[in-house]
Amino acid sequence: GAVVSQHPSRVICKSGTSVKIECRSLDFQATTMFWYRQFPKQSLMLMATSNEGSKATYEQGVEKDKFLINHASLTLSTLTVTSAHPEDSSFYICSASMTGAYEQYFGPGTRLTVT
Amino acid sequence: GQNIDQPTEMTATEGAIVQINCTYQTSGFNGLFWYQQHAGEAPTFLSYNVLDGLEEKGRFSSFLSRSKGYSYLLLKELQMKDSASYLCAWFHTGGGNKLTFGTGTQLKVEL
Repeated sequence: GAVVSQHPSRVICKSGTSVKIECRSLDFQATTMFWYRQFPKQSLMLMATSNEGSKATYEQGVEKDKFLINHASLTLSTLTVTSAHPEDSSFYICSASMTGAYEQYFGPGTRLTVT
Repeated sequence: GQNIDQPTEMTATEGAIVQINCTYQTSGFNGLFWYQQHAGEAPTFLSYNVLDGLEEKGRFSSFLSRSKGYSYLLLKELQMKDSASYLCAWFHTGGGNKLTFGTGTQLKVEL
């Protein structure tokens, strides 16, 4: 149980375009989902916390107009990287937690490359 | 401020025991997680400590001292597949159940 999927697993896009990444909890309802970014050989950096039915809470330094987060249902959150630039190339990982639980279950990640 | 530190790299021999330390200075601390991450993959859960003391799970054990702001992950009977990055993360309920990750320790297991 507690499986989280992400789609796509890899994406290459051109500079200036937008990319949408989906995060789904497959066998549980997730009131809260988290979006992280990880650069090579670095740790996970939390970008934002996504709560179902409300606006996401962004960490300091993360542009909310650039990284659009939508948590439309208890099993789906999406991250859209708008007007992507090469410096946005990174490994994006989502996680989800069940209502009332502390543990976060991580998705397999999405490797974004902006050319 | 909030700070969480781990050694960057460690090397150990197959079959041996290795201890990975994690120190933290935070406010609103509520517990500490350990995750394992292989290159290019998402982290997988290893352990969670809320109270002081040792939690044992097979070959993996994790220890927490809240008063000292210190935790360690102990890996016994090391196997080659244990070569990975090990991340400690502190959990704070005051910030919406967020996890703040340490820098990660890259463990290399050698023959």
